[in-house]
Amino acid sequence: EAGVVQSPRYKIIEKKQPVAFWCNPISGHNTLYWYRQNLGQGPELLIRYENEEAVDDSQLPKDRFSAERLKGVDSTLKIQPAELGDSAVYLCASSSEGNDEQFFGPGTRLTVL
Amino acid sequence: KNQVEQSPQSLIILEGKNCTLQCNYTVSPFSNLRWYKQDTGRGPVSLTIMTFSENTKSNGRYTATLDADTKQSSLHITASQLSDSASYICVVSAEVGNTGKLIFGQGTTLQVKP
Repeated sequence: EAGVVQSPRYKIIEKKQPVAFWCNPISGHNTLYWYRQNLGQGPELLIRYENEEAVDDSQLPKDRFSAERLKGVDSTLKIQPAELGDSAVYLCASSSEGNDEQFFGPGTRLTVL
Repeated sequence: KNQVEQSPQSLIILEGKNCTLQCNYTVSPFSNLRWYKQDTGRGPVSLTIMTFSENTKSNGRYTATLDADTKQSSLHITASQLSDSASYICVVSAEVGNTGKLIFGQGTTLQVKP
């Protein structure tokens, strides 16, 4: 069974440019999470989806970050415009209903120059 | 405030040696505690999970302990191997039952040298 898939794995952009990350969760997992992980730190939750509904986006910087999960399966996280401080690894995770064990993707490493 | 603190921040040991990583938490209501291993450039992978009533859980050479009274956990690695070099993250679930909001520690970076 395939795990959580993320793309791209690496992205280098200049500040003020837009960027988007894609995540395909494990088949059948209705809960999807986006995390940001700074170097030497644990992941920090940005947004959590239950199917297509964002149920926790309290930590998402809404002035520049947006996310969508239109059909309740794969999801896209966008940053526009990117800032230097956005350089981090963006992790996607998924879990099945009634089970809080999360399975993580490999992450997208973003570098903003 | 829900927090998870890990120590040490980093650790270097020789191959074959044992080590113990620490995790202290102030999370309520407590649901469970997990230890994750995160290899460089990869996402975290769950090693062990313990609920309130469990005080020890093993997964191969990894043994986790939990003291719910003192809100402390440890991860003991026996006979370390080079492949154990990774970041180890303590994660506490703050919700009971349904998909939980996880509180992550900052991780301990372990380097195993030959």
